[in-house]
Amino acid sequence: SQQGEEDPQALSIQEGENATMNCSYKTSINNLQWYRQNSGRGLVHLILIRSNEREKHSGRLRVTLDTSKKSSSLLITASRAADTASYFCATPTGANSKLTFGKGITLSVRP
Amino acid sequence: DAGVTQSPTHLIKTRGQQVTLRCSPKSGHDTVSWYQQALGQGPQFIFQYYEEEERQRGNFPDRFSGHQFPNYSSELNVNALLLGDSALYLCASSFRSVRQETQYFGPGTRLLVL
Repeated sequence: SQQGEEDPQALSIQEGENATMNCSYKTSINNLQWYRQNSGRGLVHLILIRSNEREKHSGRLRVTLDTSKKSSSLLITASRAADTASYFCATPTGANSKLTFGKGITLSVRP
Repeated sequence: DAGVTQSPTHLIKTRGQQVTLRCSPKSGHDTVSWYQQALGQGPQFIFQYYEEEERQRGNFPDRFSGHQFPNYSSELNVNALLLGDSALYLCASSFRSVRQETQYFGPGTRLLVL
């Protein structure tokens, strides 16, 4: 079953614009992670935010977490064509870091 | 420092056949997890291996089995293949002993069942 649900399902923006993606989850979490996947290849870890954190930055990425609403958002600023990919939120559920992923958001950045 | 590697990259099988996929974890990692990703979906957890034992299992039938070797590499075996087993199979590694939360993914093996 899917723990995270991202929205929108697809997003198309112009290079230089900001991209905001949202994720909602169902159960309480220890942390929430965002991953990127290029063209059906392996996933690349982008950023992890813990349940006691509200906001975190990494380069052009900004992630927020609202545990009261069980939601997170990922902001990519000044997007580039190379940011074109699918983005997934994931939460570790159960013991030993099993990850449960949402269905993902397809981001297209037009040059 | 080599990352997670998987072989083969692509595979075509027919229904009823058996397949073995292989994964070598990132150097220093001792835990391997396998995920199945159908087209247009997020990855679904199959199982996880640590100390050569299956530690956790997702909602997959017994046709899916695995193994971990003393060097921490792992195999995923699928018997009696069905058309619905066509997917990208991802291997991820982590260092369990420090409860590492981030998982490192390999490039995946794309399996097509005809």
